[in-house]
Amino acid sequence: DLVLTQSPLTQPVTLGQPASISCNSSHSLVHKDGKIYLNWFQQRPGQSPRRLIYKVTNRDSGVPDRFSGSGSGTAFSLKISRVEAEDVGVYYCMQGTQWPLTFGGGTKVEIK
Amino acid sequence: EVRLVESGGDLVQPGGSLRLSCAASGFTFSNYAIHWVRQAAGQGLESVSAVSDNGLLTFYGDSVKGRFTISRDNSKNTVFLQMDRVRMEDMGIYYCVRADYYGPGSLIDFWGQGTLVAVSS
Repeated sequence: DLVLTQSPLTQPVTLGQPASISCNSSHSLVHKDGKIYLNWFQQRPGQSPRRLIYKVTNRDSGVPDRFSGSGSGTAFSLKISRVEAEDVGVYYCMQGTQWPLTFGGGTKVEIK
Repeated sequence: EVRLVESGGDLVQPGGSLRLSCAASGFTFSNYAIHWVRQAAGQGLESVSAVSDNGLLTFYGDSVKGRFTISRDNSKNTVFLQMDRVRMEDMGIYYCVRADYYGPGSLIDFWGQGTLVAVSS
């Protein structure tokens, strides 16, 4: 199975400051159609995951523009330009390029 | 509004059986594949099973292959996960998740609120 490794495990951030999460894949995530099916999900405490970013850089409807995704090949990142209190939670990268779907281990964003 | 509502989670003994359901509304159910993804307490996410839009194609993760069976009834907008020979490691929250189609290169988007499976003797 394709392994996704996230870092850091925990990201303490001051409100209004940026945060960055890294996701590295054990193999290239380029699908045979040329696209990269790397997505980011946010899981707030007590809630189910919510998709933020799909296919590396595309923000879902309703997601604030302070969230952005980037990357290529095997290295990807999620950035929050200015962290707000509502951003607290665990963030997961997920790949759909190969089956089974696999998820990173998660990064907990907390307020300092 | 897209809704996925899971039910059927319960306390089950090791070796026992359980049937989970996922009732969908707010979209054309028969146009979408559906996944079950689980999360053990305080842990990450694991893909368990998936079914194609017409129910003819199914996928199982290695940890559940031969024990779980996924199916769907498009006339009732519902997906089922039959869990047999349940093990301790099957314990967790089971989420029903929508995908634009079945197979690698598909996109999952919307998640239900989950249903809790507990395993104990």
